[in-house]
Amino acid sequence: EPEVTQTPSHQVTQMGQEVILRCVPISNHLYFYWYRQILGQKVEFLVSFYNNEISEKSEIFDDQFSVERPDGSNFTLKIRSTKLEDSAMYFCASSGWVSYNSPLHFGNGTRLTVT
Amino acid sequence: KQEVTQIPAALSVPEGENLVLNCSFTDSAIYNLQWFRQDPGKGLTSLLLIQSSQREQTSGRLNASLDKSSGRSTLYIAASQPGDSATYLCAPRDRDDKIIFGKGTRLHILP
Repeated sequence: EPEVTQTPSHQVTQMGQEVILRCVPISNHLYFYWYRQILGQKVEFLVSFYNNEISEKSEIFDDQFSVERPDGSNFTLKIRSTKLEDSAMYFCASSGWVSYNSPLHFGNGTRLTVT
Repeated sequence: KQEVTQIPAALSVPEGENLVLNCSFTDSAIYNLQWFRQDPGKGLTSLLLIQSSQREQTSGRLNASLDKSSGRSTLYIAASQPGDSATYLCAPRDRDDKIIFGKGTRLHILP
């Protein structure tokens, strides 16, 4: 069964450094998302992306965050200058051609640790 | 702003029991609602998707119901097994195409 893949599974970085989290959504999906989960807390929406542009973003997704679909397969989340509070599990998700009727499929996540 | 509440927060039951997990949401203007399970340190696995026009959806031992007007959904698990132990998350999809999660119900099935 097709799946969403994320790399790396674990990333450790120093405060102030830039990180790029990578995702390969399911190949025929058109809607892409990033969520995060701080340890012990609930899964939080960051951003949705469709047709090469952001369709929705949350208050968490400030100027330090950006997303890109650089080619036909990858979907990336960049954090420009990481802070300690960015430490979390970051999940990428995708859904099919009719987003509101299609289930969301999640990757296994990237655990980001900022020291 | 959509708020999702899941009750109970945690549940331990002996193997073989049937159980019900509850979810309530404040904004009933949703497209659909999805139930997920999350194993410790892992991603989210989709279990069931109910469209806003549907009342129920079944997959194997799982049955999810939706009462959109009252902002409620339940997940029924029949004949529970130790492998069902996980955190179960309810997630309505609102008209802004955001999926909002509850804190989940942490389920432990005792062998």
